[in-house]
Amino acid sequence: DAGVTQSPTHLIKTRGQQVTLRCSPISGHKSVSWYQQVLGQGPQFIFQYYEKEERGRGNFPDRFSARQFPNYSSELNVNALLLGDSALYLCASSAAGGTADTQYFGPGTRLTVL
Amino acid sequence: QQQVKQSPQSLIVQKGGISIINCAYENTAFDYFPWYQQFPGKGPALLIAIRPDVSEKKEGRFTISFNKSAKQFSLHIMDSQPGDSATYFCAAGYSNYQLIWGAGTKLIIKP
Repeated sequence: DAGVTQSPTHLIKTRGQQVTLRCSPISGHKSVSWYQQVLGQGPQFIFQYYEKEERGRGNFPDRFSARQFPNYSSELNVNALLLGDSALYLCASSAAGGTADTQYFGPGTRLTVL
Repeated sequence: QQQVKQSPQSLIVQKGGISIINCAYENTAFDYFPWYQQFPGKGPALLIAIRPDVSEKKEGRFTISFNKSAKQFSLHIMDSQPGDSATYFCAAGYSNYQLIWGAGTKLIIKP
């Protein structure tokens, strides 16, 4: 079975631009979470979606938004990019999204904002 | 209260030795404590996890020790191997699904 896939692998944008990152969960998984990992730090929770509904949101500005599609894939959108948005964006899928459900992470999308 | 403090920041261990990484938390509502391993260029992968009703859990060479009263938990890697060289993250979560992560420990196993 394929693991969590994310696209693109790398992305370079300039300040003020908008970016869309994509994630396909493991087949059968209904929950997708997004994390931001700044170099040298642990991941920080951005969003979780379950059954196409937003279940929770971390401490990120409204420039960050996400959605989940009927096939459970997900997109993360970031508007008005800032230099500080440069990070590895990780997508994790889990069966039902509960805390004890193992989260399986994709390889991430490396976003560089110039 | 939402922080998970992880130490040390980096660790060098001889092959065959024991690697020990520690984490401390404040929020007593946390009820799930996983450890993740991350290699460069890869996403984190779950190693082992524990619930607070258990004081120790062992899977192969990896053991979590959990001290509920001290609000601390640790990862022990027995017989450490060069292939264990990676960054290790502890995390804590509770019923509303969100994981709070430590800052990570870069582990280097010297052959």
